[in-house]
Amino acid sequence: SQTIHQWPATLVQPVGSPLSLECTVEGTSNPNLYWYRQAAGRGLQLLFYSVGIGQISSEVPQNLSASRPQDRQFILSSKKLLLSDSGFYLCAWSPQGYGYTFGSGTRLTVV
Amino acid sequence: AQSVTQLDSHVSVSEGTPVLLRCNYSSSYSPSLFWYVQHPNKGLQLLLKYTSAATLVKGINGFEAEFKKSETSFHLTKPSAHMSDAAEYFCVVTPDNYGGSQGNLIFGKGTKLSVKP
Repeated sequence: SQTIHQWPATLVQPVGSPLSLECTVEGTSNPNLYWYRQAAGRGLQLLFYSVGIGQISSEVPQNLSASRPQDRQFILSSKKLLLSDSGFYLCAWSPQGYGYTFGSGTRLTVV
Repeated sequence: AQSVTQLDSHVSVSEGTPVLLRCNYSSSYSPSLFWYVQHPNKGLQLLLKYTSAATLVKGINGFEAEFKKSETSFHLTKPSAHMSDAAEYFCVVTPDNYGGSQGNLIFGKGTKLSVKP
C-alpha cells in the first residue's frame, strides 16, 4: 500500500535561518507531488507541485523553493525564513490524474 | 473562477445530535467536490468525494454529503455526532472531473466542529 512520510512534525526556527522539509512516498512510482501551506485562520494554499523528477511548478511567488531530486522525494526549502513563513505545511501526492493523500504535516514557527 | 465558501467557521453540537457543515461553491466547469477532516496536528483525511455520479455521497465514519447543483451546495451531514468527530473540516473543489492532477484544489477556510458531552 502507498504511504507518505513527512518530517519533522514540528519545527521552531529563528528569522533568517534556512529551512528544509522533506516528504517521501512509498509504494508508488511517478506520483504527482504537492506542497501546501495552511496559515492560521486560513484555508490551504498550494505552494508547489511536481509531475516528475526535476519538474517543479510554483503557484505563489515567495520566499520558498522546492526540489524533487528523486521520483518519490519532495523537498521544501528556504535560504532565509521570514516571520510570515510560519504555518502548517502539508505534503500530498496523487497518482497521475486523480485522488490525493496528505502527509501528517509540519508545524513551523518562525521566531 | 472557482471558489468555496464554508458558511460557518465554528459549529458546536452535543454528542448524539445531528451535524450539518455547510459548503457552497462556484465553478465554471463540472466540479469534483471533496470533504476532508483534519484532527489536531495531523494531516488531512478524505471523508468523501463527489465526481458527477450519485448526488448523495456516503463517506467514512457515518458522514454523507449531497450535491445540489441548483443551490451550488455540498453540505456535510451526520445523523449523530460522536466525541471523536471533533476536528476541523474542509470543503474542497476542483474544476475538472479528474481530481485536478495539476494540484488546483481550492480549499474552503474550514469549519471547526466541537462536540459537547
